[in-house]
Amino acid sequence: QVQLVQSGAEVKKPGASVKVSCKASGYTFTGYYMHWVRQAPGQGLEWMGWINPNSGGTNYAQKFQGRVTMTRDTSISTAYMELSRLRSDDTAVYYCARVSVGYCSGGSCYGWFDPWGQGTLVTVSS
Amino acid sequence: AIRMTQSPSSFSASTGDRVTITCRASQGISSYLAWYQQKPGKAPKLLIYAASTLQSGVPSRFSGSGSGTDFTLTISCLQSEDFATYYCQQYYSYPLGFGQGTKLEIK
Repeated sequence: QVQLVQSGAEVKKPGASVKVSCKASGYTFTGYYMHWVRQAPGQGLEWMGWINPNSGGTNYAQKFQGRVTMTRDTSISTAYMELSRLRSDDTAVYYCARVSVGYCSGGSCYGWFDPWGQGTLVTVSS
Repeated sequence: AIRMTQSPSSFSASTGDRVTITCRASQGISSYLAWYQQKPGKAPKLLIYAASTLQSGVPSRFSGSGSGTDFTLTISCLQSEDFATYYCQQYYSYPLGFGQGTKLEIK
């Protein structure tokens, strides 16, 4: 079955970086964009961006531009999200999610998320 | 960015009730809307996409409707396992966005 398995919880100090992995199985990894979404404690869902595992192309939410880097290793069907210059308000659960394309327009594609990884808690604390 | 607003933010209901959650987009998004269910400590689960298409394996008591700016998620007969938080998501344009969530609690 289609499955996304993420790396374990992390504790980081302010100013540090964190890299979360997301290993895909049960489907052709390069056939679907991978998105990242985060959720601060007790809060809602916040979209961070996507990576095209086939080309390595990325699209980041403006809020995270300059701090986030999404990469992939196709040989092991794994996507990565690295967030730098961490602050306390980056404390959140980070999810990877495979997108199913609803439609494409102007060279971009859009869709819904299914499945999701189990989430990785990143705690930023001094 | 398109803003997604859900109502209510939370409410209480009983098993067997019929409940409706509303999601409003700040501009028209056609039918490019998905609904998710999230339980504490778990990842969101896809329920509905394209505003009204039920994801495979999701019980038929869940249904979605709407287009343009106004959408609804209806649960026809609440079961105990349905008490959770529900989110809508627009995929009409980037940045993709979610509603703030509706927490459904047991009365």
